[in-house]
Amino acid sequence: EAGVTQFPSHSVIEKGQTVTLRCDPISGHDNLYWYRRVMGKEIKFLLHFVKESKQDESGMPNNRFLAERTGGTYSTLKVQPAELEDSGVYFCASSRRHPDTQYFGPGTRLTVL
Amino acid sequence: QKEVEQNSGPLSVPEGAIASLNCTYSDRGSQSFFWYRQYSGKSPELIMFIYSNGDKEDGRFTAQLNKASQYVSLLIRDSQPSDSATYLCAVNMWNAGNMLTFGGGTRLMVKP
Repeated sequence: EAGVTQFPSHSVIEKGQTVTLRCDPISGHDNLYWYRRVMGKEIKFLLHFVKESKQDESGMPNNRFLAERTGGTYSTLKVQPAELEDSGVYFCASSRRHPDTQYFGPGTRLTVL
Repeated sequence: QKEVEQNSGPLSVPEGAIASLNCTYSDRGSQSFFWYRQYSGKSPELIMFIYSNGDKEDGRFTAQLNKASQYVSLLIRDSQPSDSATYLCAVNMWNAGNMLTFGGGTRLMVKP
């Protein structure tokens, strides 16, 4: 069984640009989560999808962040426009049921210059 | 006070010793508790989860939960250099859906 995959692994952009991160969950996992870790801080929850619906987006920092999960399969997280403080590692996780163990992807390291 | 607290370390133990990693949490109603291991630049990898008070053993790993004292610990027996990593404690808090709240992690170094 393939694990959670994320693309790209690294992204370096300039302030004001747009970046889109992609996450492919484990096949059959209806629950998909986005987390991020900024430098020196804990991993923080961003949002939770159940299939294509946003179950909880309480962790989204502001309206520059837009997450989608069309068709209930892969998800994208767009940051537009990116700011310096958005730099960090963005993790995606998935689980089969709610609640259930979450399996994490390798993360996307985002650097905003 | 942070919601989930861990000593950042590094915790250094000799090969073959028992490593003891601790985590405290603020929400008394927390439901489930997870230990993840993260190697540098890699994804968090689930080691163990525990829901009930007491001990849960899996191979060289033992998770211990004490809800009255609001702490959860991870013991690693016969520590190996390959166990050297950052260990993350994550808690699913009461009324928080399926969101995990993470501690900052403890860096473990096992010296040959």
